Amino acid sequence: KAGVTQTPRYLIKTRGQQVTLSCSPISGHRSVSWYQQTPGQGLQFLFEYFSETQRNKGNFPGRFSGRQFSNSRSEMNVSTLELGDSALYLCASSPGEARRHGYTFGSGTRLTVV
Amino acid sequence: QQQVKQSPQSLIVQKGGISIINCAYENTAFDYFPWYQQFPGKGPALLIAIRPDVSEKKEGRFTISFNKSAKQFSLHIMDSQPGDSATYFCAASNRGRGSTLGRLYFGRGTQLTVWP
Repeated sequence: KAGVTQTPRYLIKTRGQQVTLSCSPISGHRSVSWYQQTPGQGLQFLFEYFSETQRNKGNFPGRFSGRQFSNSRSEMNVSTLELGDSALYLCASSPGEARRHGYTFGSGTRLTVV
Repeated sequence: QQQVKQSPQSLIVQKGGISIINCAYENTAFDYFPWYQQFPGKGPALLIAIRPDVSEKKEGRFTISFNKSAKQFSLHIMDSQPGDSATYFCAASNRGRGSTLGRLYFGRGTQLTVWP
C-alpha cells in the first residue's frame, strides 16, 4: 500500500517567485492536512481539507493557499516567496476521522528560498 | 503562543534505560493526544495516542501516561534501543466546529539519543 506521496522532494526558489507543492494521499483517504516544519517554529498547521472543502486554516498569511481535488489529491501554493518560507512542508492524510485513525505523514517537500 | 509545551529539548539515554518525555497543555478542549516519531529525512510517524478518559495506554515498549487534572501527559520508552534515536513530538487536538477532524498542535520536539 503506497504511502503519502509528496512532490517534489526538494525545491529551490528565488524570493518573489511562487511555488506549488503536490500531495497524493493514501488511496481511500479523504482528509489531507498541510504542516510547515522549521527549526525555529516547529510544526505549524497550514490547512485541512476534507472532500474538497477547506475545514480549517492556520495562522499563515494569504500568500499561502491550497486546494483539494475530487480524487483527494491536494496542492498548496505559496506566492511571493520570502526567505522565511524556507521549510519542510509536510502533507498528512487520514481515512476521514483523523483523530480516530491518526494522520499518516509524507516525507515532505524541502523548500529553500534564496 | 505555544499550545503544547514539551520537555526536555534533548535527551540522552543508555541502551536498556527508560526515556521519559513530558508535555503540558492549557486548552481543556483538547481531547486527543498523539505522539509522533520522526527520523531525519522522513515525516513524523504516529507512535501511540490517548484520549483523556484513559490514564495510561501501553503499546509494546511505549507507554503514554495522562494526568487530566494536571493537564500533562508523558511518553515512556522502556528498554530504550539505539534504533529509538529520533525526534519525538507530542501533540494535541480538539473536535473542530461541526467536524470530527481537527488541527494538531505540536510540541517543539525532543531529540532522543540512545547510546549503546
